[in-house]
Amino acid sequence: QLQLQESGPGLVKPSETLSLTCAVSGGSITSTSFYWGWVRQPPGKGLEWIGSIYYSGTTFYNPSLKSRVTISVDTSKNQFSLRLSSVTAADTAVYYCARVTYDSSVKRRSFDNWGQGTLVTVSS
Amino acid sequence: DIQMTQSPSSLSASVGDRVTITCRASQSISSYLNWYQQSPGKAPKLLIYAASSLQSGVPSRFSGSGSGTDFTLTISSLQPEDFATYYCQQSYSTFTFGGGTKVEIK
Repeated sequence: QLQLQESGPGLVKPSETLSLTCAVSGGSITSTSFYWGWVRQPPGKGLEWIGSIYYSGTTFYNPSLKSRVTISVDTSKNQFSLRLSSVTAADTAVYYCARVTYDSSVKRRSFDNWGQGTLVTVSS
Repeated sequence: DIQMTQSPSSLSASVGDRVTITCRASQSISSYLNWYQQSPGKAPKLLIYAASSLQSGVPSRFSGSGSGTDFTLTISSLQPEDFATYYCQQSYSTFTFGGGTKVEIK
């Protein structure tokens, strides 16, 4: 059974860089028909897609965050990572990693497996 | 960017009620539309993908319909575990979520 687990600091200072890792178990990150993504949710608010990556390293970013976001993949460790630079209080959120299943023949690109999420607070 | 608008933002319903949530895209997205359920303190759970396909393991009381710009999620008979927040998501051009619909107990 596929499992995703986020890890990283729960507290980051303003202007610094937020770094999170998502460890994937129960399946290979190099599997075709899947890619991997990050979604965040500020306290009491809705969901925001941050970006996605394919095991080859191809990335897709939310235009509103693109200048500050880097997503990378480490196939040897079966994990992928998020870096968000120059953080402010507005970046305080629960950050989720997830698997994206895609199948163009049925118009499917959906987040079908999620980590439990990790709260990151930006504060001095 | 494609914007997704959900309505209503919240609703009150009773167990056994039929509930419908709508989602509108700012441009045509064909059938690239997903629906998620999120309970408090939990990660979102995929219910419907490609507008009308039921994700494996999801009860059949959930159904989705629509294409182009207008979509609906229907719960045919609301159960106690269905009180949660529901989000639509377009996947036609990267991803955008709707603002959410909170389903509360009447």
